Amino acid sequence: GAGVSQSPSNKVTEKGKDVELRCDPISGHTALYWYRQSLGQGLEFLIYFQGNSAPDKSGLPSDRFSAERTGGSVSTLTIQRTQQEDSAVYLCASSLAPIQGGTEAFFGQGTRLTVV
Amino acid sequence: GDSVTQMEGPVTLSEEAFLTINCTYTATGYPSLFWYVQYPGEGLQLLLKATKADDKGSNKGFEATYRKETTSFHLEKGSVQVSDSAVYFCALVSGGSNYKLTFGKGTLLTVNP
Repeated sequence: GAGVSQSPSNKVTEKGKDVELRCDPISGHTALYWYRQSLGQGLEFLIYFQGNSAPDKSGLPSDRFSAERTGGSVSTLTIQRTQQEDSAVYLCASSLAPIQGGTEAFFGQGTRLTVV
Repeated sequence: GDSVTQMEGPVTLSEEAFLTINCTYTATGYPSLFWYVQYPGEGLQLLLKATKADDKGSNKGFEATYRKETTSFHLEKGSVQVSDSAVYFCALVSGGSNYKLTFGKGTLLTVNP
């Protein structure tokens, strides 16, 4: 596609339920990133994929969060047993190469997750 | 660890006014510096970047100069337009990581006609 696509754009879920958030990166982009944007915390790094492997998962807030990437393309972020503090906008980005050196990261419009 | 501090908003200006949004950073090694913009209802977009000291990034009339001596990357525009109303984020990727963007908290700019 023309840009990074995320689905759903909005998700309301009950506390304790599991949710899956999907990211379709720009074709050919080997690097993929998940960030979380919340009012109190700003933009936080969650995880980085290079191809299908995740060399850095250090930003995942707890073991309720996991992510995978298949075929070097689509990625899914899964949150198990959602809590109200998980409410945020989850952003996905992709780039042709790692960002250092000025390579541009392209962001999707995000998934707004609300846990009630 | 790496961090970015940018001026608190919101900032409200009249059309054609001069804009400065301050950004300072703490980072490992020699970071690359970025300004991202988020227009209402849209995703984050790269506005400009600078990868080494004294580089000036520029785009759409916006400029920022990488100042190593003051660890700053202030965003400026000489004459803002209503269409510049958005949230602006300063960010860096440090020498210690070649992929992890560290963002400031964002500055909301509103430009009135």
